[in-house]
Amino acid sequence: DAGVTQSPTHLIKTRGQHVTLRCSPISGHKSVSWYQQVLGQGPQFIFQYYEKEERGRGNFPDRFSARQFPNYSSELNVNALLLGDSALYLCASSFFPLGHEQFFGPGTRLTVL
Amino acid sequence: GESVGLHLPTLSVQEGDNSIINCAYSNSASDYFIWYKQESGKGPQFIIDIRSNMDKRQGQRVTVLLNKTVKHLSLQIAATQPGDSAVYFCAETRENGANNLFFGTGTRLTVIP
Repeated sequence: DAGVTQSPTHLIKTRGQHVTLRCSPISGHKSVSWYQQVLGQGPQFIFQYYEKEERGRGNFPDRFSARQFPNYSSELNVNALLLGDSALYLCASSFFPLGHEQFFGPGTRLTVL
Repeated sequence: GESVGLHLPTLSVQEGDNSIINCAYSNSASDYFIWYKQESGKGPQFIIDIRSNMDKRQGQRVTVLLNKTVKHLSLQIAATQPGDSAVYFCAETRENGANNLFFGTGTRLTVIP
C-alpha cells in the first residue's frame, strides 16, 4: 500500500505570492494533519481535519488555510508568502484523529525568496 | 502548547554500541509519548510510542522508558547501526480533542562505523 503522498516535492515562490500544497492520505485514513518544520526544529502543528471538518488549528496566522475533500485528500494554502514561511510542510494521516497514530508523508520543501 | 525538549542536540556512538536519547517534557496531562526518526529529506518515521500509564515499552532493538515523576522520556537503541543515523524527535499528544502532536527540537544521532 502507498504511504502518505505529497505534491509538489519542492517549490520556490517569491514574497507576496500564494501557494497550494497537496496531500493524499493512506488509503482508508480519514484524518489529515499539517505541520510546518523550519530547518533545525521539530514540526509545528498547523491544522487537523477529520471527515472533512476542521478539528484543530495551531498558532498560525489567517494567511494559512486548509480543506479536506470527499476523498479525504487535503490542500494547504498559504497567502501573502513571507520569507519566514520557508520550511518543510508535512502532512500526516490517521484513521481516527489521534496524534499517536499519525503517519507522515515526505513533505513539500517550500522556499520563499 | 506545552514544550517538549531534549537534553542533547547531538550524539555520536560507535557502531554496535547502545544509544540513549533523552527528552524532557513539561505537560503531565499528555496521554501518549512518541519517538520519531527523521532522515535527511524525509518525513518523520514512527519508531515507538508509550501510553502515559506505562513506564516501559520494548520494540525491535528499541526501548522507550517513561519516568513521570521527573517528566523524562528516553529512547534506547540496542546495537546501533549506521542506518540508525538520523534526527530523533520525541513528541507528545493528548486525547482530549486536540489530538495534534507537540514536538521537541530533535537530537542528531551519528553512528561511527
